[in-house]
Amino acid sequence: DIQMTQSPSSLSASVGDRVTITCRASQSIITFLNWYQQKPGKAPKLLIYAASSLQSGVPSRFSGSGSGTDFTLTISSLQPEDSATYYCQQSYTTLLFTFGPGTKVDI
Amino acid sequence: EVQLVQSGAEVKKPGESLTISCKGSGYSFTNYWIGWVRQMPGKGLEWMGIIYPADSDTRYSPSFQGQVTISADRSISTAYLEWSSLKASDTAMYYCARPETGGYMPLDYWGQGTLVTVSS
Repeated sequence: DIQMTQSPSSLSASVGDRVTITCRASQSIITFLNWYQQKPGKAPKLLIYAASSLQSGVPSRFSGSGSGTDFTLTISSLQPEDSATYYCQQSYTTLLFTFGPGTKVDI
Repeated sequence: EVQLVQSGAEVKKPGESLTISCKGSGYSFTNYWIGWVRQMPGKGLEWMGIIYPADSDTRYSPSFQGQVTISADRSISTAYLEWSSLKASDTAMYYCARPETGGYMPLDYWGQGTLVTVSS
């Protein structure tokens, strides 16, 4: 099984800050990496797919990068509504997906 | 508009059976895989398994193989998640989610979630 890790597990930042979350896979997943945002009591929402492609309707302050085993989600200018937990997910193993443990972002 | 609408919250006792549902609309239900995700209280997301309604091809995460059954009725565009004997540890929020077709298969649509509480 492919294991996913994320760091940090939580962070606190101010409005306007640049925030970076890291996701690491236990083996190469090329760019089969997606990012989700989950707010309390809500279903997750797709932000980034294929490591760096912005999902339609998602603000451009969100961006993703990386390939192989190391990936990054960046929020260029943190906004109050970005307070949430962020999950990475690998889709390299066909139909047997794995999520990272999540990173909680507090404003 | 694509929508996945899940059945309502359930409260059950250990040992009871349960089936929850996820009804798709606004797209060709038969031609997209649909998966299930568990989120235990205060915890992260766990991939349970997935089904292709056109032919009922089903794949389970090893952690959930034998613990649940995933099925679908394409005639009513509905996927199901079933337990034959619930345990307290099955208490969680369960989401259905639809992967986009194509290689990367991001989960672009999600149901609203079904809260399952198992308590004596």
